[in-house]
Amino acid sequence: GAGVSQSPSNKVTEKGKDVELRCDPISGHTALYWYRQSLGQGLEFLIYFQGNSAPDKSGLPSDRFSAERTGGSVSTLTIQRTQQEDSAVYLCASSPRTGEYGYTFGSGTRLTVV
Amino acid sequence: AQSVTQLGSHVSVSEGALVLLRCNYSSSVPPYLFWYVQYPNQGLQLLLKYTSAATLVKGINGFEAEFKKSETSFHLTKPSAHMSDAAEYFCAVRLDSNYQLIWGAGTKLIIKP
Repeated sequence: GAGVSQSPSNKVTEKGKDVELRCDPISGHTALYWYRQSLGQGLEFLIYFQGNSAPDKSGLPSDRFSAERTGGSVSTLTIQRTQQEDSAVYLCASSPRTGEYGYTFGSGTRLTVV
Repeated sequence: AQSVTQLGSHVSVSEGALVLLRCNYSSSVPPYLFWYVQYPNQGLQLLLKYTSAATLVKGINGFEAEFKKSETSFHLTKPSAHMSDAAEYFCAVRLDSNYQLIWGAGTKLIIKP
């Protein structure tokens, strides 16, 4: 597509429920990134996919968080048993392999856990 | 290790005044450097990038940044601030190991009327 698409744009969920956030990167971009941005905070790296390589999961805050990328394209970030501290904006970005053009970001998913 | 430091979590300037947002980096090799802008309730948008060509880089919305190797800096400037420039600005450096971007903590730019 023309840009990075994230869905849903907003999600309100009850504490303890599972949620899935979707990211559709720019066609042909081999690298895909997930970040979390809590209110008034900077960017917190979560996970990085590059082509067919094993993902860099070093930023995932707990084992309740997981992500997959199917067919080198669409990615899903799953949060199990959501907690109130998971409330944040989740941003997805993609880039060509070497990143010299920087990242292109989606508009994010605002997650609210009540 | 490569890193990025943005001085000042908040910068306030009057409309029409010079905007200066500071970014210093550490890198053992010539870096790729980026500035992004985030308007309220939006994702991040690329403002400009340095990729070892001209040291003075011009970006969108009248912003520019100068790469100074001796000072390991890549400060963002704009001669005259507009109200529409109110946003958060992030500086980033590209890692050489795996091409990921390392991000500064961000600077929120406040424009006073």
